[in-house]
Amino acid sequence: GIQVEQSPPDLILQEGANSTLRCNFSDSVNNLQWFHQNPWGQLINLFYIPSGTKQNGRLSATTVATERYSLLYISSSQTTDSGVYFCAAPGNAGNNRKLIWGLGTSLAVNP
Amino acid sequence: NAGVTQTPKFRILKIGQSMTLQCTQDMNHNYMYWYRQDPGMGLKLIYYSVGAGITDKGEVPNGYNVSRSTTEDFPLRLELAAPSQTSVYFCASSYSQGAYGYTFGSGTRLTVV
Repeated sequence: GIQVEQSPPDLILQEGANSTLRCNFSDSVNNLQWFHQNPWGQLINLFYIPSGTKQNGRLSATTVATERYSLLYISSSQTTDSGVYFCAAPGNAGNNRKLIWGLGTSLAVNP
Repeated sequence: NAGVTQTPKFRILKIGQSMTLQCTQDMNHNYMYWYRQDPGMGLKLIYYSVGAGITDKGEVPNGYNVSRSTTEDFPLRLELAAPSQTSVYFCASSYSQGAYGYTFGSGTRLTVV
């Protein structure tokens, strides 16, 4: 099945800094999603981005499906951005219900 | 609008006991999912449902059962609890195949001793 790898595993930033998180996947996908888990465990869906670029406030994501990677950009980071960022892709082509999750990037933003 | 509600938030079980984790959503989502998250890991899909009366296995279904008698409710049943089932369990829902985003419950932290 598909493998989803994220880097870096851990990241520490000072408030105001920018960062790029990477997600590599081993096979072609038609669905790539980014999620944020805050320090209290709550999970939020950030982006559904099978290809191209999307932006939501200070966050944006780009997926290059032909090269099997996606990037999540965080600009002007804030302490509330802390937590774990996951990407996930379908385990089977055509079955978007069975998402395979990466191990996440743990982000700490210090004031 | 409550979103996805999971109960209980915490539970300690003894080996061999059974329990049901409850999940209810009020958004009329047709797709619902149960995931488990082990420490330092991503989520693994246990079971999912594409509508009332329809369920299917995910990555790690062994030791669990589900039912979907209504659109709103998707309970997860643990029979004969084992220490390997110690985890945080998340229920989620979506309109369709995730294109419109998932809404997650707040999680249930289960410890089996």
